[in-house]
Amino acid sequence: DAGITQSPRHKVTETGTPVTLRCHQTENHRYMYWYRQDPGHGLRLIHYSYGVKDTDKGEVSDGYSVSRSKTEDFLLTLESATSSQTSVYFCAIKTGTANTEAFFGQGTRLTVV
Amino acid sequence: AQTVTQSQPEMSVQEAETVTLSCTYDTSESNYYLFWYKQPPSRQMILVIRQEAYKQQNATENRFSVNFQKAAKSFSLKISDSQLGDTAMYFCAFTLQGAQKLVFGQGTRLTINP
Repeated sequence: DAGITQSPRHKVTETGTPVTLRCHQTENHRYMYWYRQDPGHGLRLIHYSYGVKDTDKGEVSDGYSVSRSKTEDFLLTLESATSSQTSVYFCAIKTGTANTEAFFGQGTRLTVV
Repeated sequence: AQTVTQSQPEMSVQEAETVTLSCTYDTSESNYYLFWYKQPPSRQMILVIRQEAYKQQNATENRFSVNFQKAAKSFSLKISDSQLGDTAMYFCAFTLQGAQKLVFGQGTRLTINP
């Protein structure tokens, strides 16, 4: 357990509404990530952060924004949710001797109806 | 761009048997890391094993071992004496040394039958 907590764990929302998912870590790790998991695609990187207020896009960043105002919190926002954003979202941190291993939160199942 | 391919969407074996999950990857770099993650029905992503590309020795963790073939860009996972608790999705993943991004394969759903 790398001290990562995602909230909420489940959410159902309507198309067009904004949604924010939260990732909280307790161990002061520098690198944090948001992935989405879809059948047949594995996990794909949405955005990542390498420090407070330092973020960058991943391969599937359209329709998503992130913020990191504190080391421990990394927020993922869907500005206007669409059905294609129905997915399981994972937050991860990087740790390990060479900062290569990723440890994941429990995941958030988001359904956009 | 780096890619990871898992060609077996589903596998099924009997308890106590040995099973091998396949993974191939594509990169022109020489320094990188490979991982296998397990995702049981609880949805939690669990790191099973890691391999550094510069190490020739295959990594092992108890009943889990890998066959790392760098020239062939192959990284298979062998599970010995399989147990019911091994039932899960398994993901192969790759990252370059110093890079931020983990690239995942599509996953293999493994079922261990009693």
